[in-house]
Amino acid sequence: DQQVKQNSPSLSVQEGRISILNCDYTNSMFDYFLWYKKYPAEGPTFLISISSIKDKNEDGRFTVFLNKSAKHLSLHIVPSQPGDSAVYFCAASDGGGFKTIFGAGTRLFVKA
Amino acid sequence: DTAVSQTPKYLVTQMGNDKSIKCEQNLGHDTMYWYKQDSKKFLKIMFSYNNKELIINETVPNRFSPKSPDKAHLNLHINSLELGDSAVYFCASSQDVGSRNTIYFGEGSWLTVV
Repeated sequence: DQQVKQNSPSLSVQEGRISILNCDYTNSMFDYFLWYKKYPAEGPTFLISISSIKDKNEDGRFTVFLNKSAKHLSLHIVPSQPGDSAVYFCAASDGGGFKTIFGAGTRLFVKA
Repeated sequence: DTAVSQTPKYLVTQMGNDKSIKCEQNLGHDTMYWYKQDSKKFLKIMFSYNNKELIINETVPNRFSPKSPDKAHLNLHINSLELGDSAVYFCASSQDVGSRNTIYFGEGSWLTVV
């Protein structure tokens, strides 16, 4: 039973437009959420995170939004660039635990 | 200079064989992990060690045995390989235990069992 779900396996966006990647979770104990980015033949790398005490965190072109009541978070990339083409993993954890639970990833294609 | 390095990157082997994947981190981190990415693409934690002590052991067959000779190394040994073991195995590390620590991943080891 997957506690972190990324229901869109892939997303295609035109360069310069906004990319919105979605993630849903089921465990109400999760209080810390992360996005990782993965290029082919490389390991995932940390991108941005958000604590449950916030509903938005921004870092340059990347913004993560958290809707706790809906158990939903999203990653916005504005403007999208071809170099953003990668697989994006959503992840969640409960602050008292040791485990970070990952989703299956969404592959983003940014077309030039 | 690679922060988390694992070898081999690619491994093709027959069912029933025993194989090892080695991992080293030069970040000075206290905690290391093994994750498995299976055909469904989920990244699932298998093991975690903190300062050479096992702290997470998920429901992984006991054919999988991690070994941490020191806190900079965490190797994964797999006995009696099965077809279902085919996956990408990622080694990772973080500064400390606790799920708020950023996890740094290696490039992955592609294991194919034939």
